[in-house]
Amino acid sequence: DAGVIQSPRHEVTEMGQEVTLRCKPISGHDYLFWYRQTMMRGLELLIYFNNNVPIDDSGMPEDRFSAKMPNASFSTLKIQPSEPRDSAVYFCASRTSGTGELFFGEGSRLTVL
Amino acid sequence: AQSVTQLDSHVSVSEGTPVLLRCNYSSSYSPSLFWYVQHPNKGLQLLLKYTSAATLVKGINGFEAEFKKSETSFHLTKPSAHMSDAAEYFCVVSAPGGGADGLTFGKGTHLIIQP
Repeated sequence: DAGVIQSPRHEVTEMGQEVTLRCKPISGHDYLFWYRQTMMRGLELLIYFNNNVPIDDSGMPEDRFSAKMPNASFSTLKIQPSEPRDSAVYFCASRTSGTGELFFGEGSRLTVL
Repeated sequence: AQSVTQLDSHVSVSEGTPVLLRCNYSSSYSPSLFWYVQHPNKGLQLLLKYTSAATLVKGINGFEAEFKKSETSFHLTKPSAHMSDAAEYFCVVSAPGGGADGLTFGKGTHLIIQP
């Protein structure tokens, strides 16, 4: 398996623009997570899905952030409009139920100017 | 409820000397425990995991960790540090089940290897 695949790896955009980050989880994994990592705040859970259904989005900073999982092999995290404080590395991760470990993608580094 | 504490935010060792990264946890369950490593500009990679089998767990790149229930610890060790070990290390505790509310990350330990 190729692992968790994220795109784009790097994104530079201007304030106010829409940003869409994409994730393909490992086949067969029924949980998908979106994390954000910054120097100041470390690793933060934004939202997670189980069987394509959002379970907990309490970590989503505000309404500018939205996430979808239309099928078991694809998820998106959208920021609209983007702001400089959204600059961070966004990680997608997947796992199976039980005590299975979390598998992370390489991350999408977002810079909002 | 559960929590995890990484006792050192930074650890600096010389190349070829032992590494010790400390992790203490608390959990109402019989937890699973993991160590992840993150190299610069990379995602988190699993180093090793404890899931109630052998208490001494061996991982990749010569790392190992020992689960000590009496001390609620899961410290990560390596006999001899290599320059390539310089990275951020995260201790993670997982309760039974697969949801995020069962996963708790430590704040990370930055490992510095001196030549």
